[in-house]
Amino acid sequence: GAGVSQSPRYKVAKRGQDVALRCDPISGHVSLFWYQQALGQGPEFLTYFQNEAQLDKSGLPSDRFFAERPEGSVSTLKIQRTQQEDSAVYLCASTRGLAETTDTQYFGPGTRLTVL
Amino acid sequence: SQQGEEDPQALSIQEGENATMNCSYKTSINNLQWYRQNSGRGLVHLILIRSNEREKHSGRLRVTLDTSKKSSSLLITASRAADTASYFCATRGYQKVTFGTGTKLQVIP
Repeated sequence: GAGVSQSPRYKVAKRGQDVALRCDPISGHVSLFWYQQALGQGPEFLTYFQNEAQLDKSGLPSDRFFAERPEGSVSTLKIQRTQQEDSAVYLCASTRGLAETTDTQYFGPGTRLTVL
Repeated sequence: SQQGEEDPQALSIQEGENATMNCSYKTSINNLQWYRQNSGRGLVHLILIRSNEREKHSGRLRVTLDTSKKSSSLLITASRAADTASYFCATRGYQKVTFGTGTKLQVIP
């Protein structure tokens, strides 16, 4: 079946604007993760969903970041009042089972956000 | 913050040579995974090694894990130009997966 998809692939925002990034995980996958990857760095964990429940949001850098997965499938990462330091690639990943398992994470292509 | 650190940060080799990348991490883990990321593409899972395993092979990849030293290595044998990418180790605790800083590998044809 189809892999993880993300939209948009590229987003340019003016500082202060709100943005919404979408992730469509592999159908039936229970777990969904969001990561932020700054240029030249590895991905950094933002938040984790098990179905519709957000079980870990310890990586969200500020209260301007908000994520949801209301029906346990598609997820949206929203960033309010964007700042230049929010510029990064935002990656979404899903796994078939629970995060505690050794299931492989399947990553989407990412959304490259540039805040001017 | 990053859990692991890869060494070296960048590596350039000739096609056909072997490439070795090392990863050190800080806390206890359930398993350690290696990922590849090509320029402009998403991360692709390469191999997973559990905390009770010491070595694992997959095709041209060989991974070792030393939990006493909190380190792992990835060996790519007989490298190809298509292996040019960034390689990341990732450690898995209870729920969270934490990535290292990555090694940028260039394989020259």
